[in-house]
Amino acid sequence: RKEVEQDPGPFNVPEGATVAFNCTYSNSASQSFFWYRQDCRKEPKLLMSVYSSGNEDGRFTAQLNRASQYISLLIRDSKLSDSATYLCVVAPVRQKVTFGIGTKLQVIP
Amino acid sequence: GAVVSQHPSRVICKSGTSVKIECRSLDFQATTMFWYRQFPKQSLMLMATSNEGSKATYEQGVEKDKFLINHASLTLSTLTVTSAHPEDSSFYICSASNGVDSGEQYFGPGTRLTVT
Repeated sequence: RKEVEQDPGPFNVPEGATVAFNCTYSNSASQSFFWYRQDCRKEPKLLMSVYSSGNEDGRFTAQLNRASQYISLLIRDSKLSDSATYLCVVAPVRQKVTFGIGTKLQVIP
Repeated sequence: GAVVSQHPSRVICKSGTSVKIECRSLDFQATTMFWYRQFPKQSLMLMATSNEGSKATYEQGVEKDKFLINHASLTLSTLTVTSAHPEDSSFYICSASNGVDSGEQYFGPGTRLTVT
């Protein structure tokens, strides 16, 4: 089983739709979780951290389910500018950070 | 967020030559810097982790004599691709962390290397 697994997509959604991605991880000792956004041929940018209690930032909500070992990202009212690849990052304490392959989102007018 | 610069952004070199890529954290002290490589439609692959003033830790399968990393200060790390070959053509990205949480990294804009 891969350390971090994501559905590569693409997810094609109409503008205004709500879309959710999941990311599963295999190391139960993982402590820190993040979502990054990567635009085509650009560097990843930190989108948000994922806390045990969940985290909301505007239209974006991230949640952690330790029992099932997955994190999720929910995007409400999708905008064209949300089109990107969303990378899940898992960081066990004092171990290397692992990036998922990313989920590609395409928001269609 | 923190700012990390990377130079050059794009480089084309001939096979057998060496290329140096610089990564600078502009507004914070980066105790740890990471070097990644990303091939088209693939995920970021960590090449090495470097802490200021100490030798870099390379991931399995990454040749330390081919990819020389120097982290001489808290704001600068360099990656030198020695004797580059066409298969080294890739997108090289550095990131910096203040060491508090290695998952919170700030990425440079990347360097697209093409070896002809």
